[in-house]
Amino acid sequence: ETGVTQTPRHLVMGMTNKKSLKCEQHLGHNAMYWYKQSAKKPLELMFVYNFKEQTENNSVPSRFSPECPNSSHLFLHLHTLQPEDSALYLCASSKGSDSRETQYFGPGTRLLVL
Amino acid sequence: GDSVTQMEGPVTLSEEAFLTINCTYTATGYPSLFWYVQYPGEGLQLLLKATKADDKGSNKGFEATYRKETTSFHLEKGSVQVSDSAVYFCALFLVSGSARQLTFGSGTQLTVLP
Repeated sequence: ETGVTQTPRHLVMGMTNKKSLKCEQHLGHNAMYWYKQSAKKPLELMFVYNFKEQTENNSVPSRFSPECPNSSHLFLHLHTLQPEDSALYLCASSKGSDSRETQYFGPGTRLLVL
Repeated sequence: GDSVTQMEGPVTLSEEAFLTINCTYTATGYPSLFWYVQYPGEGLQLLLKATKADDKGSNKGFEATYRKETTSFHLEKGSVQVSDSAVYFCALFLVSGSARQLTFGSGTQLTVLP
């Protein structure tokens, strides 16, 4: 049990659909992250939130919209996605955003865009 | 920019064999270095870390030494088990100005055969 949960675990959506991914951490952490894991590519950091404030946005297309209502919850809202957006989306959290803090990952949401 | 290069997989070993997975990095400063492991169907878990030169991280029989002179952080284990089959990711974390980011290598798939 990593203390970071993600729902749904699997999602299939059409290019015109709107869906949301949810992440919840039970570790009392203050920083939360979204990563994209595509086949044969390094993990890509998408967004960072620290104390509910977005501190990093790594040139992510606007069809991905994050939301962090509190330190325990993080959402990724999806709309008009493309097939190349199919990937495993991982959420992580850490106590703070310092380099020595370990990031704890959830199991991921496997997304397929048709 | 900062980057991590890992040896390409897949790596297939027999049980009790010696394991080395090479990792080298490029960074403008002095990063913290990490090895994460991803078991099938799960998220990433921290395996070990080192935050300064000559530090050795160790966990579950795995070791890696932070070598500043060769910019390397190779993962080793003396005797692998079937349960070690997973994908291993080398990563660095560098604080540069306002940017704080964990940068991952592309991962190395390890399969251990009984």
